[in-house]
Amino acid sequence: DTAVSQTPKYLVTQMGNDKSIKCEQNLGHDTMYWYKQDSKKFLKIMFSYNNKELIINETVPNRFSPKSPDKAHLNLHINSLELGDSAVYFCASSQGQGSNGYTFGSGTRLTVV
Amino acid sequence: GEDVEQSLFLSVREGDSSVINCTYTDSSSTYLYWYKQEPGAGLQLLTYIFSNMDMKQDQRLTVLLNKKDKHLSLRIADTQTGDSAIYFCAESMGYNAGNMLTFGGGTRLMVKP
Repeated sequence: DTAVSQTPKYLVTQMGNDKSIKCEQNLGHDTMYWYKQDSKKFLKIMFSYNNKELIINETVPNRFSPKSPDKAHLNLHINSLELGDSAVYFCASSQGQGSNGYTFGSGTRLTVV
Repeated sequence: GEDVEQSLFLSVREGDSSVINCTYTDSSSTYLYWYKQEPGAGLQLLTYIFSNMDMKQDQRLTVLLNKKDKHLSLRIADTQTGDSAIYFCAESMGYNAGNMLTFGGGTRLMVKP
């Protein structure tokens, strides 16, 4: 069973389109995150949700809107896609810190053409 | 990650030890982590250390933490070709920051046969 699953794994789309990436975790964790990894492999937090409530929004454009229908799901919707949005997006979840801390999904590679 | 720094590349021969270094700036970090990312894959938690520890050993992995210098290192003994990957250190900013991780830029480890 996959602990943190993201869909789709690959997404190729044209500029200006709207797209969504879905994430689900079956670990019973309270907190979920979206991280963005750029072409130079830098990883940066975008959003953090705890029990469906937004707790971190790290200067992400308004075109990015996370939605958490329940604590096991955190979806990412992106409006009016731009070339600079091309990256790998990782979903993660955590319950506290340490070895029970962070589990990452396998990533969604978004390419905007 | 502007607050967490790592050297970009490390090349070693199979069987040698690898030492990957990381410096961080936030002295209030509670946990520090090492993640491994293989090509096209997500992030795999390798090990972590609590901030009140100096050293942690886990099979071939040894983590050293120097809190005074804010320096973290990962030593991989008897490095194998399967260890070739990007290694990220990360610090946890604690519950008040949503338990989010701040990552270093990653060190690309190349193991030559």
